[in-house]
Amino acid sequence: EPEVTQTPSHQVTQMGQEVILRCVPISNHLYFYWYRQILGQKVEFLVSFYNNEISEKSEIFDDQFSVERPDGSNFTLKIRSTKLEDSAMYFCASRVGQGSYEQYFGPGTRLTVT
Amino acid sequence: QKEVEQNSGPLSVPEGAIASLNCTYSDRVSQSFFWYRQYSGKSPELIMSIYSNGDKEDGRFTAQLNKASQYVSLLIRDSQPSDSATYLCAVNLMDTGRRALTFGSGTRLQVQP
Repeated sequence: EPEVTQTPSHQVTQMGQEVILRCVPISNHLYFYWYRQILGQKVEFLVSFYNNEISEKSEIFDDQFSVERPDGSNFTLKIRSTKLEDSAMYFCASRVGQGSYEQYFGPGTRLTVT
Repeated sequence: QKEVEQNSGPLSVPEGAIASLNCTYSDRVSQSFFWYRQYSGKSPELIMSIYSNGDKEDGRFTAQLNKASQYVSLLIRDSQPSDSATYLCAVNLMDTGRRALTFGSGTRLQVQP
């Protein structure tokens, strides 16, 4: 069964460093998402991406964040200058397209900022 | 009012019993409702979606939707210890203008052997 994959599973970085989190959505899916979950808190929406552009973003997704689909399979989230409060699980999700709203999540990347 | 609200639990049920999980949401025009299961340290796993008023059954799971009351629930029949997890309610909240999912904080379910 196709699934969303994410790398790395765990990333440790120092405050102020740039990180790139990678995702490979399900191959026939057209909509891609990033969510985050701070330990013990709810899952929060960051950004959605369709047709090679951002379709929606939350107030969390400020200028420190960017997303890119550099090729036909990868979908990346970049954090330019990490802060301690960026420590969280980051989940990539995808959905197939119009008429189907079911989103499937990848296993997540645990980001630890020290 | 919180956008998507769930009791945090824990909800404790004996093995073989029915577990009933509830969720309320803030807007009247939402169309898409989802239940995810999340084991500790893992990602959300989609278990049910429901779009119309009424019941939708899939195996041991039944989702129930009442749009007039802004209420969606999940019943788990013949609960097993492996069902012990946090259950997340997620909604496309149309009145926020947002198409992405808004999650509740989740209800922790414990199934006692």
